[in-house]
Amino acid sequence: AQSVTQLDSHVSVSEGTPVLLRCNYSSSYSPSLFWYVQHPNKGLQLLLKYTSAATLVKGINGFEAEFKKSETSFHLTKPSAHMSDAAEYFCVVSDRGGSYIPTFGRGTSLIVHP
Amino acid sequence: DTEVTQTPKHLVMGMTNKKSLKCEQHMGHRAMYWYKQKAKKPPELMFVYSYEKLSINESVPSRFSPECPNSSLLNLHLHALQPEDSALYLCASSQTMTSGINEQFFGPGTRLTVL
Repeated sequence: AQSVTQLDSHVSVSEGTPVLLRCNYSSSYSPSLFWYVQHPNKGLQLLLKYTSAATLVKGINGFEAEFKKSETSFHLTKPSAHMSDAAEYFCVVSDRGGSYIPTFGRGTSLIVHP
Repeated sequence: DTEVTQTPKHLVMGMTNKKSLKCEQHMGHRAMYWYKQKAKKPPELMFVYSYEKLSINESVPSRFSPECPNSSLLNLHLHALQPEDSALYLCASSQTMTSGINEQFFGPGTRLTVL
């Protein structure tokens, strides 16, 4: 069965410093992987997705993620944090074994200090 | 139009009330989803409709009753809810549910409070 682990429940950074949100996955098939962002009391917005094309995926708002099969990881990065990046981030995996029903990680809360 | 709309934004109801949540998309998506989200938790899948047929029911109590009148609309009928059902209810859609490459588009949610 597919699963996803977000290694940190909270990540705290200063504005202008790099962001790293970690995600490891488990899948017996070729997975699709997604990162979503959720601002308080809002719906989820897709940041980026990996679907077996390029392993380095660029998303919106300067975020990117690299699919590393050998490490079963799909970490989200951004070179310079902005105050508006403060939000909850979800890593999501989907594969044929799970009937393509997305499985969500527990979420990582990104806190950005001025 | 890449938007999923949900109404109402907020809903307060008593345990004996009957109410409905509404979700709409005009992207031509054939899969639609209801999720329940508690504070500081990921969304929990409740129901999935594929081509207007109920495809997945994640053992949701019968006080929640989904309905898909057409390919653009999804309703969630609520009756005799409990205070622990208070949560953010999210609707999502995707092109289909038979391919993993299709991302989900989420609505802004309905904040439900059960008194």
